[in-house]
Amino acid sequence: EVQLVESGGDLVQPGGSLRLSCAASGFTFSSYNMDWVRQAPGKGLEWVSHIHSGGTVYYADSVRGRFTISRDNSKNSVFLQMNSLRAEDTGVYYCARGGTSGWAWGQGTMVTVS
Amino acid sequence: QSVLPQPPSASGTPGQRVTISCSGSSSNIGRNPVFWYRQFPGTAPKLLIYTNSQRPSGVPDRFSGSKSGTSASLDISGLRSEDEADYYCAAWDDSLSGVVFGGGTKVTVL
Repeated sequence: EVQLVESGGDLVQPGGSLRLSCAASGFTFSSYNMDWVRQAPGKGLEWVSHIHSGGTVYYADSVRGRFTISRDNSKNSVFLQMNSLRAEDTGVYYCARGGTSGWAWGQGTMVTVS
Repeated sequence: QSVLPQPPSASGTPGQRVTISCSGSSSNIGRNPVFWYRQFPGTAPKLLIYTNSQRPSGVPDRFSGSKSGTSASLDISGLRSEDEADYYCAAWDDSLSGVVFGGGTKVTVL
């Protein structure tokens, strides 16, 4: 069974930093693309960042230059380093496993910038 | 304004059919597969439809997806009270080099 467990969410002041982690299990992690998606309170889903199985990365315009996605295949984990945080970055951050047969999602971790 | 506009709400009585539209462009839906996700309040989204019209195991055949040109739609037939949720479409956008989501449609069973 695919499992994705996010951690690292917290309350942080504007301008601060956080590092989110996502621990994966139940599949061959190194073979899959991974994504981060966020959801502001009461709002819809917003894609944040993508890391290909081969390491290529992509970012939403709203976070480019402030956030960095990375992965450690030896630890079956994907990370999101978030710097220069703003109030509008507040929300639940979900880790998701990509693939042509659709995404599997973690339960999310809450980030509050205030 | 979402890159993939969806109606903000849809409703029906038990047993009725509800259709949710998702409008895109040549850089997203027109070139790439569409996915649909369902989200219940306070929980993570879950895959409902992949590659335009495929259902993962466990998703009842009351749910069906289709795509034509730069638009996609999700049909829910035989509406049930447990179908009350938010529904999102998604696709890769070649111009943005990223995933785009619809704004979400809240389905209410009257």
